[in-house]
Amino acid sequence: DAGVIQSPRHEVTEMGQEVTLRCKPISGHDYLFWYRQTMMRGLELLIYFNNNVPIDDSGMPEDRFSAKMPNASFSTLKIQPSEPRDSAVYFCASSLSLPLGHTEAFFGQGTRLTVV
Amino acid sequence: GESVGLHLPTLSVQEGDNSIINCAYSNSASDYFIWYKQESGKGPQFIIDIRSNMDKRQGQRVTVLLNKTVKHLSLQIAATQPGDSAVYFCAENNQGGKLIFGQGTELSVKP
Repeated sequence: DAGVIQSPRHEVTEMGQEVTLRCKPISGHDYLFWYRQTMMRGLELLIYFNNNVPIDDSGMPEDRFSAKMPNASFSTLKIQPSEPRDSAVYFCASSLSLPLGHTEAFFGQGTRLTVV
Repeated sequence: GESVGLHLPTLSVQEGDNSIINCAYSNSASDYFIWYKQESGKGPQFIIDIRSNMDKRQGQRVTVLLNKTVKHLSLQIAATQPGDSAVYFCAENNQGGKLIFGQGTELSVKP
């Protein structure tokens, strides 16, 4: 397996535009996580899915952010409208089960988003 | 105005020396902990984990120690190599499976 695949790797967009980040989890993994990483707040969990169903979205900053998982092999994180403070690296991760035991989460390479 | 970014704690060690990276976690109910390594431009990568019913676990060149009394976790890297240079994060399983990450420590290995 190629691991968790995210696209694009880099995105530069103007304030007010819609941004869509994409993720392909590792095949067979039932859990998918979206994280945001900034210097100010470190790695923050935004939302996670189990079997394509959103379980906990309490980390989503505001209504401008939305995430979907239409099938087991694809998820999107959308920001509309984007703002400069959304600039960060967004990571997608997947795991076989919740990290309650010896079950690590595998991370993608991340999407570096810059909103100007 | 523009926010000022925080500077990560930095640990600088000589190649071949042992490194110890520390982490304080927040939730006494957390029952699972992971150390991740993040190299520049990459996502976090699993290093080693430990459950709360253990106080020590060893891997290849790495050892994790858990002190539940003071809610402290440490990662020891033996014979540190230049390839170990990265940011290291501890993560705790908090509230039913959500991994909460620490601030991170930047390890710099001098040749």
